[in-house]
Amino acid sequence: QKEVEQNSGPLSVPEGAIASLNCTYSDRGSQSFFWYRQYSGKSPELIMFIYSNGDKEDGRFTAQLNKASQYVSLLIRDSQPSDSATYLCAVRGAGGTSYGKLTFGQGTILTVHP
Amino acid sequence: DVKVTQSSRYLVKRTGEKVFLECVQDMDHENMFWYRQDPGLGLRLIYFSYDVKMKEKGDIPEGYSVSREKKERFSLILESASTNQTSMYLCASSFLIGVAEKLFFGSGTQLSVL
Repeated sequence: QKEVEQNSGPLSVPEGAIASLNCTYSDRGSQSFFWYRQYSGKSPELIMFIYSNGDKEDGRFTAQLNKASQYVSLLIRDSQPSDSATYLCAVRGAGGTSYGKLTFGQGTILTVHP
Repeated sequence: DVKVTQSSRYLVKRTGEKVFLECVQDMDHENMFWYRQDPGLGLRLIYFSYDVKMKEKGDIPEGYSVSREKKERFSLILESASTNQTSMYLCASSFLIGVAEKLFFGSGTQLSVL
């Protein structure tokens, strides 16, 4: 089982719709969870960070965390063509040999079509 | 602005060569990382370092080594390059505030081993 798993997609949504991206992780002790966006040919950039169960909202983005289910998601409301990118889920190790280790999923390709 | 500089954008090497990939950050960050990115596999952690002269293995350290003699510089070494090490290599640095961590990535080095 991979440590961090995402559906690689591609996920295609119409402009204005809600895009839902999902991620599961295997290390139950993990405490910090991140969403990075990577445009084609560019480096990843951080868009959301969450560490408490529940929802965290930032503009059109909402991160949701459920530690009991080891599940984190990203919702993008009112999707725009400029949101078309690969979205990477990342999980920070909690302790032992995993401390400080930031593990990424394989990424979900999102395409927003006009 | 934080700057993470990787010495080369494109590099072509021969099988068996020793290859050095250099990374320099200008923000006095404690943590530095080397990832490789391959289509469908996302970012995979090779090595990371949370202090000068400290290094920790990531998920795929085989065939690689690292050096961190100064806080701002983290080098990745391919002791004897092989064709399966053809990949995009991304260096990153980060700072921690509690459990929050933000990675700043370099622009990447596309390495081709022939």
